[in-house]
Amino acid sequence: NAGVTQTPKFRILKIGQSMTLQCTQDMNHNYMYWYRQDPGMGLKLIYYSVGAGITDKGEVPNGYNVSRSTTEDFPLRLELAAPSQTSVYFCASNPGQGVREPQHFGDGTRLSIL
Amino acid sequence: DQQVKQNSPSLSVQEGRISILNCDYTNSMFDYFLWYKKYPAEGPTFLISISSIKDKNEDGRFTVFLNKSAKHLSLHIVPSQPGDSAVYFCAARNMEYGNKLVFGAGTILRVKS
Repeated sequence: NAGVTQTPKFRILKIGQSMTLQCTQDMNHNYMYWYRQDPGMGLKLIYYSVGAGITDKGEVPNGYNVSRSTTEDFPLRLELAAPSQTSVYFCASNPGQGVREPQHFGDGTRLSIL
Repeated sequence: DQQVKQNSPSLSVQEGRISILNCDYTNSMFDYFLWYKKYPAEGPTFLISISSIKDKNEDGRFTVFLNKSAKHLSLHIVPSQPGDSAVYFCAARNMEYGNKLVFGAGTILRVKS
């Protein structure tokens, strides 16, 4: 049971480059989330999705885009990479119903913008 | 605006003793609280949770206490083990805003053997 899988694990980008962080889950969860974690800070929500075709902004969406064409996949796009986007990015999912199912996290993508 | 605060960046405890991790929140609309544990190079994993209608929840060595009047919760680990060494995040949810979580900055726990 793979759970939530994120690729790549590490990436170095130059300022102005673009890339897509991949996230896929095999638990048939409706809800998916993208967070970023900066040093000494908690996780901050970038975007989330409550189902295929439905996405919404979180606390820190600027500079990012998402799409949700299938239940399994929730890619995060950086169009013009900036040094402020250097962070560790976590994808998470949960069924989205009721209170008892916590969010399950992937192992993260460590991204450096130089 | 930090709605969830973990004021202790780190905590060091001797193996076998109690670890107490603290968390304070400001939003009285939070109705559900969770603790996550994170090892280096891994994602956070769920540890234990508590609803705002309760004041205590226990799961093996882990107990979470909630004091709503003080807007404070704590995680007790008894007895502490070296494998408990990790970063612990407190998180809170407001049902009005769905399943979105607000996280604290985390506390690094080191259990010395």
